[in-house]
Amino acid sequence: GQNIDQPTEMTATEGAIVQINCTYQTSGFNGLFWYQQHAGEAPTFLSYNVLDGLEEKGRFSSFLSRSKGYSYLLLKELQMKDSASYLCAAPSWDSNYQLIWGAGTKLIIKP
Amino acid sequence: SQTIHQWPATLVQPVGSPLSLECTVEGTSNPNLYWYRQAAGRGLQLLFYSVGIGQISSEVPQNLSASRPQDRQFILSSKKLLLSDSGFYLCAWQSGYNEQFFGPGTRLTVL
Repeated sequence: GQNIDQPTEMTATEGAIVQINCTYQTSGFNGLFWYQQHAGEAPTFLSYNVLDGLEEKGRFSSFLSRSKGYSYLLLKELQMKDSASYLCAAPSWDSNYQLIWGAGTKLIIKP
Repeated sequence: SQTIHQWPATLVQPVGSPLSLECTVEGTSNPNLYWYRQAAGRGLQLLFYSVGIGQISSEVPQNLSASRPQDRQFILSSKKLLLSDSGFYLCAWQSGYNEQFFGPGTRLTVL
C-alpha cells in the first residue's frame, strides 16, 4: 500500500532550528502536504509542495525531492508555541478524493 | 471565505447509546466532505467521505454510519456506541487543490 513515514517524536530548543522529515513512495506522486496540529485541536494547513525545491513561508519552509520520495519541514527560530504535532500527507494513488496521512511527528520545544 | 462548523465540541456518552455529530460548511458549493477519527496520540483515520448529496464512501467497517442530506451538511451517526468509539472526530472539506480544511473537532468519550 501507499505509506508515509515520519519520526514519532523530536525535541528541540527554543530559538533553534529543527528539520522534520517525511518519506513516501514515489509511484503516482501528486504533491505533499504539511499540517500543524496543536494538542486537542484540529490540524491546520501549512504547505503544499508539488515541485522539487524549497518553499519558504516566514519561519517555516518545506522541501521536496520527488526523485528521492523525501520531504522535510524546516522550522527556524523556534518558539514555545511551535510545540505541536506535524503531519505530512499525500494524495492517494487510488482515489482523487483521499489524502494518505503520516502518523505525525510530535515536536517538543524546551526553553 | 469558507468556514466549517462542527458540534458539539465535547460529548460524553454511555456505551450502547446513539450518536449524532453534525458538520456544516459555508462559503463553498459541492465540496468533498470527510469524517476522520483520531485516537489519542495517533494519526488520522479516514472513516467516510462524500463527493455529493446522498453519496457516501465508507473506509472502515464499524458501527458508524454517515449521511449527507444537503450539499454542505455531513452527519456521523451510530445506533449503539462502543468503548472503542472514543476519540477525536474531525470533519473536513477539500478544495480543488486537494487541500483539506478541518472543523474544530468533537471529542467523544464513551463510558
